[in-house]
Amino acid sequence: KQEVTQIPAALSVPEGENLVLNCSFTDSAIYNLQWFRQDPGKGLTSLLLIQSSQREQTSGRLNASLDKSSGRSTLYIAASQPGDSATYLCAVNTDTGRRALTFGSGTRLQVQP
Amino acid sequence: GAVVSQHPSRVICKSGTSVKIECRSLDFQATTMFWYRQFPKQSLMLMATSNEGSKATYEQGVEKDKFLINHASLTLSTLTVTSAHPEDSSFYICSASTPGGGYTFGSGTRLTVV
Repeated sequence: KQEVTQIPAALSVPEGENLVLNCSFTDSAIYNLQWFRQDPGKGLTSLLLIQSSQREQTSGRLNASLDKSSGRSTLYIAASQPGDSATYLCAVNTDTGRRALTFGSGTRLQVQP
Repeated sequence: GAVVSQHPSRVICKSGTSVKIECRSLDFQATTMFWYRQFPKQSLMLMATSNEGSKATYEQGVEKDKFLINHASLTLSTLTVTSAHPEDSSFYICSASTPGGGYTFGSGTRLTVV
């Protein structure tokens, strides 16, 4: 059974810092991995999707990497801003045929102005 | 593109009544949709997989008679919480796989049973 772990659970940083969020998964047989952002009481916004054959994806100040063999992904946020404050969720699509995502427990990020 | 619309965003109902939540894919066809439940400060837990034109597949521990799922068309899936009780109060989110291979999510429904 796929298990996804995110570290740290919570993070508070001053504005302008670069930061790294970590995600690990136990079963390396994945189709893809997706990073989401969730604001309080809201749905999920997709940030980056990395296919199993890819090593990284970039969008603006965000960069996500994937090391499938070691079961790890990182989300790098450059020059953090208060508007980046949210919960960041990592989810993997495992090669089980069910095609449903398995989520990590998330990292709650607070960027202080 | 690949937008999923979920309604209502909030609902309060009395214990014992039923509530229906709708999830629509606006600009693509979704043969499969997923329903998740999220408790406060916890991650999303898959409840069931909804397949157009066939019965939903429920995860272990999810009561299929309590959480009725209907996926009658390629753009609409509904989740009905029957005979709701306070312990059913939660945040429910639907999702669909997109043509690009990722997943898109609805905005969620906050259900409060009083």
